[in-house]
Amino acid sequence: DIQMTQSPSTLSASVGDRVTITCRASQSISNWLAWYQQKPGKAPKLLIYKSSSLESGVPSRFSGSGSGTEFTLTISSLQPDDFATYYCQQYNSYWTFGQGTKVEIK
Amino acid sequence: EVQLLESGGGLVQPGGSLRLSCAASGFSFSSYAMSWVRQAPGKGLEWVSTISGSGGSTYYADSVKGRFTVSRDNSKNTLYVQMISLRAEDTAVYYCANSWGLQYYFDYWGQGTLVTVSS
Repeated sequence: DIQMTQSPSTLSASVGDRVTITCRASQSISNWLAWYQQKPGKAPKLLIYKSSSLESGVPSRFSGSGSGTEFTLTISSLQPDDFATYYCQQYNSYWTFGQGTKVEIK
Repeated sequence: EVQLLESGGGLVQPGGSLRLSCAASGFSFSSYAMSWVRQAPGKGLEWVSTISGSGGSTYYADSVKGRFTVSRDNSKNTLYVQMISLRAEDTAVYYCANSWGLQYYFDYWGQGTLVTVSS
């Protein structure tokens, strides 16, 4: 089974900050990686797929990069609507989520 | 507009059974793989099961294998999961989600239905 590890688990940041979340896979997953945003009481929302492809309608301040075993999600300038929990997911072999990164207000 | 609407959640005793449904609309249901993902209270997302568009291929997480059965009725645009031998650790919000195929991310998600396993 492929394990996904996100870091950090919690991130405190201010509006306007550049934020980076890291996701590591226990073995190579090529670029079969997605990122989701989840707000309390809501379903997850797809942000990025295939490591760096931005889902339609998602603001361009979100970007993804990486391949193999190391991936990053970057928010270039954090907005009030971005305070949420973010999950990475591999879909190279079955499906596995990272444990999540909560982005909270500093 | 894609809509996924889960139903069937509730309180069930340990060892009991429950069937969840996910009614889909706004896309060609039979062309999409469908999945169940759960989230225990205060915890992260856990993939549970996936079924191909035709229903001919099914996949399960080890934690539910042998206890959960995923199925679909393409004539009714509905996804199901039959859950038996339920345990306290199955308590979670259960989401259904669609994907273009079996090696794809999850595109759209329903709002979830809560399953509570407790005596």
